[in-house]
Amino acid sequence: GENVEQHPSTLSVQEGDSAVIKCTYSDSASNYFPWYKQELGKGPQLIIDIRSNVGEKKDQRIAVTLNKTAKHFSLHITETQPEDSAVYFCAASTTGNQFYFGTGTSLTVIP
Amino acid sequence: GAVVSQHPSRVICKSGTSVKIECRSLDFQATTMFWYRQFPKQSLMLMATSNEGSKATYEQGVEKDKFLINHASLTLSTLTVASAHPEDSSFYICSARDGTGKETQYFGPGTRLLVL
Repeated sequence: GENVEQHPSTLSVQEGDSAVIKCTYSDSASNYFPWYKQELGKGPQLIIDIRSNVGEKKDQRIAVTLNKTAKHFSLHITETQPEDSAVYFCAASTTGNQFYFGTGTSLTVIP
Repeated sequence: GAVVSQHPSRVICKSGTSVKIECRSLDFQATTMFWYRQFPKQSLMLMATSNEGSKATYEQGVEKDKFLINHASLTLSTLTVASAHPEDSSFYICSARDGTGKETQYFGPGTRLLVL
C-alpha cells in the first residue's frame, strides 16, 4: 500500500517568513494530493490540492508543488501570519480510493 | 459549500454505555463517508468507509461489532461505539465525498469522546 512521509514534524517561523512542508509518497499510481490544516480541537480543513497532471498550483499565499518523478510534493506558505499556526497534514490517494495521510507538521508562526 | 457537521461535538459517558455520533453533509449529497480516529498529536487513522445503502468496509484491526456504522441516506452516516470503554476515548472525525467523481474529502469538526 501507499506510504506517505512528512517532514518536518515541527516548524517555527517568524511572522512574514515562508514555511515549507515536504511529503514523499511511495505508490506511483497516486494521483491526488490534498493538504489539510487542522486547528486544535477541530476537524481538518482542505486548504489546497493538486492532481498529478499539473506540477504546481497556487492560491494567494499558499502553493503546492508536485514532482511525480521523485514522488514528492510540498506545501509553501509565504508571508506567514500567526493565524497560520496549526497542524498541517498532506495526503495521497488514487482516484476513488482512501487517503493516506502524512504524520503532520505543527507550524508555529512567531509574531 | 461542502460543509460537513458532526453531533455531538463532545460527549462524556460511563464505561459500558453506547454512544452514537452523527455525521451530516449539509449542502451536498455524500455517496461515500469515512470515519477516522485521531489520538493526541497523531495523524488520522481510517476506521471505515461507508457507501450509502451498503455495508461499511472496515480497516484491518477495527472491530465492526464495536464500531457500528450506518449510512442510511446520502446526507447522514452514524457511528455507534458499542459498550464504550476508557480505551475508546478519542477524537472521532468523519469526512464525506460527493458523487461527482472528485476525490476531495470534506471533514467534519470532530467529536471528542471521553469514557469514564
